[in-house]
Amino acid sequence: GQQLNQSPQSMFIQEGEDVSMNCTSSSIFNTWLWYKQDPGEGPVLLIALYKAGELTSNGRLTAQFGITRKDSFLNISASIPSDVGIYFCAGQLGNEKLTFGTGTRLTIIP
Amino acid sequence: GAVVSQHPSRVICKSGTSVKIECRSLDFQATTMFWYRQFPKQSLMLMATSNEGSKATYEQGVEKDKFLINHASLTLSTLTVTSAHPEDSSFYICSARRQGSYEQYFGPGTRLTVT
Repeated sequence: GQQLNQSPQSMFIQEGEDVSMNCTSSSIFNTWLWYKQDPGEGPVLLIALYKAGELTSNGRLTAQFGITRKDSFLNISASIPSDVGIYFCAGQLGNEKLTFGTGTRLTIIP
Repeated sequence: GAVVSQHPSRVICKSGTSVKIECRSLDFQATTMFWYRQFPKQSLMLMATSNEGSKATYEQGVEKDKFLINHASLTLSTLTVTSAHPEDSSFYICSARRQGSYEQYFGPGTRLTVT
């Protein structure tokens, strides 16, 4: 099945640093979603974006819906140990199925 | 909140046997549930879309006779892996879409190991 390109594939940062990751698609979506998955668990929704150009924040997280509707980015400010995990973007068109990104694995170096 | 549960959380079965995984929406009605499979260090791949009271829609390359899906009520969908083989070992995750909404809520996943 189709997957969205997510970059970077992995990140190794120190606690307190800011993080930025993005997701690109060859086709448009009208909803972009960002999820976090901890080991052995299901994904948890972080932020949902419903409008091209929309910039939405959830605490230290900020995400934007690209103006072309083919991309989105997620920023995490002042990272903390519990931010460790895998982040997935997902695109959705109407009420159709979600298409997931390839994931970004975030590791915090002590 | 919208809570989705899965049972069992992990299961080990022998090659050739069948195993059933349940997905329940605990506090809302879900006309549509989705089943995903996730291999180690990979993303979630949609296997099938399950609609209450009708046949499931399978993604290309997913064998419908091997992965039986039943969505008999607005709060329960089951995935049965028939004649399991070691290559079916994976993390199976369901999600449920609340009636009248586009949002999906994910379950905690089921780790299947076939020996």
